[in-house]
Amino acid sequence: GEDVEQSLFLSVREGDSSVINCTYTDSSSTYLYWYKQEPGAGLQLLTYIFSNMDMKQDQRLTVLLNKKDKHLSLRIADTQTGDSAIYFCAEILDSSYKLIFGSGTRLLVRP
Amino acid sequence: DAGVTQSPTHLIKTRGQQVTLRCSPKSGHDTVSWYQQALGQGPQFIFQYYEEEERQRGNFPDRFSGHQFPNYSSELNVNALLLGDSALYLCASSLRAELYSNQPQHFGDGTRLSIL
Repeated sequence: GEDVEQSLFLSVREGDSSVINCTYTDSSSTYLYWYKQEPGAGLQLLTYIFSNMDMKQDQRLTVLLNKKDKHLSLRIADTQTGDSAIYFCAEILDSSYKLIFGSGTRLLVRP
Repeated sequence: DAGVTQSPTHLIKTRGQQVTLRCSPKSGHDTVSWYQQALGQGPQFIFQYYEEEERQRGNFPDRFSGHQFPNYSSELNVNALLLGDSALYLCASSLRAELYSNQPQHFGDGTRLSIL
């Protein structure tokens, strides 16, 4: 079935790395996405990865995909207070146009 | 380069009323999707419009309907509003995407709808 799970909350110290995790159930995912939502705002696309890739790096962001375990992670290097937000992972299945979202992980960066 | 714009930003309605929300896609985009985000939840897909037709629909009742205009802008209409329709309604636009291809969806800031 279509299900994307995320942990609810993560707290890190400024300058440390953050790792946000996501699991999904449907093996027919084609693309997996990470979006960021700040208070009162919409969703900002951060990065995405094709399902046949293992890793993608984009400046401070590293996405790791373990297709066997259906596990996706987003690592943010040198986390800043401006990174405090809710992070959503989402998937698109191979027979669909819709994004399927997790419930989001709230990242709090402590000074 | 204008991003996705939505109007209004906030709206208050009462049960039983009807509402229309509007979306202008990012410049160059021709596909519009609508999502409902309840408080504390991830967005849920309502439907997607391409070439002025509904291309895919999520698990929402017929009270939710939409339209896409020749300039690619779109409207979301909700009839017979219920308290449970209170949510942030997000519009996302993208380039035409065929199945199995990737055209990332870019979101607006949403319309916050409150039902009293």
